[in-house]
Amino acid sequence: DTEVTQTPKHLVMGMTNKKSLKCEQHMGHRAMYWYKQKAKKPPELMFVYSYEKLSINESVPSRFSPECPNSSLLNLHLHALQPEDSALYLCASSQDSGGSGANVLTFGAGSRLTVL
Amino acid sequence: KQEVTQIPAALSVPEGENLVLNCSFTDSAIYNLQWFRQDPGKGLTSLLLIQSSQREQTSGRLNASLDKSSGRSTLYIAASQPGDSATYLCAVRGDGGATNKLIFGTGTLLAVQP
Repeated sequence: DTEVTQTPKHLVMGMTNKKSLKCEQHMGHRAMYWYKQKAKKPPELMFVYSYEKLSINESVPSRFSPECPNSSLLNLHLHALQPEDSALYLCASSQDSGGSGANVLTFGAGSRLTVL
Repeated sequence: KQEVTQIPAALSVPEGENLVLNCSFTDSAIYNLQWFRQDPGKGLTSLLLIQSSQREQTSGRLNASLDKSSGRSTLYIAASQPGDSATYLCAVRGDGGATNKLIFGTGTLLAVQP
């Protein structure tokens, strides 16, 4: 299995809702990432997990709450979002989070979030 | 702060043409550079990764070069096909950091006309 699977593919939520995005990989990768991509913009890093521990938080608002329950799963919990949070949320994984030359990121297809 | 820029922002070519996409970065202290392809509304597919010690990488019709000292990389696509139509993104990993953190360029939207 060489894929990163993200669910749901599309999510529409109100500003008072609580929802979660899920990401799964079975490549034995020990680093997992959340990126946010607005329309016609490049992806921007949100969080990095390394060996199931949060190693980078790019000053993301607390209404986004990441969770890594095990080495194969990464969640992004959403609460009290704003319409400007509407975007494509991309999950990625890599062998580890270090400087190995083989450390290519594998991305999922993304979850498109719309906040009403 | 590392900034990555890609030119042109958009490119339209007839099928069969060879083309070059450009990527420039402001801080030459990079660990590696990666080229990705993104289809509309989809995730990213890694095309090529060049280590800072390398000058180029090739995969099929794609060839990527890296000139670290001048802060430039090019992606050469030979004999373009309509299926190559997508947004192409370059991303650099900064040197000196322990974490695999990529900084993405602004992207080039490529349209290959049949």
